[in-house]
Amino acid sequence: AQSVSQHNHHVILSEAASLELGCNYSYGGTVNLFWYVQYPGQHLQLLLKYFSGDPLVKGIKGFEAEFIKSKFSFNLRKPSVQWSDTAEYFCAVKGDNQGGKLIFGQGTELSVKP
Amino acid sequence: GAGVSQSPSNKVTEKGKDVELRCDPISGHTALYWYRQSLGQGLEFLIYFQGNSAPDKSGLPSDRFSAERTGGSVSTLTIQRTQQEDSAVYLCASSLTGPVGEKLFFGSGTQLSVL
Repeated sequence: AQSVSQHNHHVILSEAASLELGCNYSYGGTVNLFWYVQYPGQHLQLLLKYFSGDPLVKGIKGFEAEFIKSKFSFNLRKPSVQWSDTAEYFCAVKGDNQGGKLIFGQGTELSVKP
Repeated sequence: GAGVSQSPSNKVTEKGKDVELRCDPISGHTALYWYRQSLGQGLEFLIYFQGNSAPDKSGLPSDRFSAERTGGSVSTLTIQRTQQEDSAVYLCASSLTGPVGEKLFFGSGTQLSVL
């Protein structure tokens, strides 16, 4: 069965620091990969997604993620975080034989200090 | 409507009672998902609908949980004989095409508290 692991439960950074949130998945076939974000008091929303092609994917608000197939990873990065990036971030995977099932990781809470 | 709507937003119930949670997806979205979000547990997949049928209900934790979708629109998640471990936020999401991998739009969830 597919699963998703996010290594960091809570990350605290100062503004302008660089961010990298880890995400590893277990699934042997072709995958679609996603990062969702939940800002305080708001709905979950899509940050970026990878389906195929260039493994470096750019999303909204300056975020990017790189799919490394050999490492089963899809880490999220941002060169310089802002206070407004404070949120919970979820990595998610959909396997090619899993129908509509989108499996989420446990989430990483990011706190950015002004 | 403009977004995915869930009701009630909060539900407090006593152990052993049945509860019904409702989800109104975005109009025209064929796929509908239920997830459960518990503290420190991330989002746990419960069930997925394509139209009115549920090709994947593998995430339902026990036979106390059931869900239906009528008219390709509204869905109801029912929990019978609630237990304290059922306390969580129940999230509904919808998407245009489902398995193809379209973006999911989430509702704000129902916070269920079982006393």
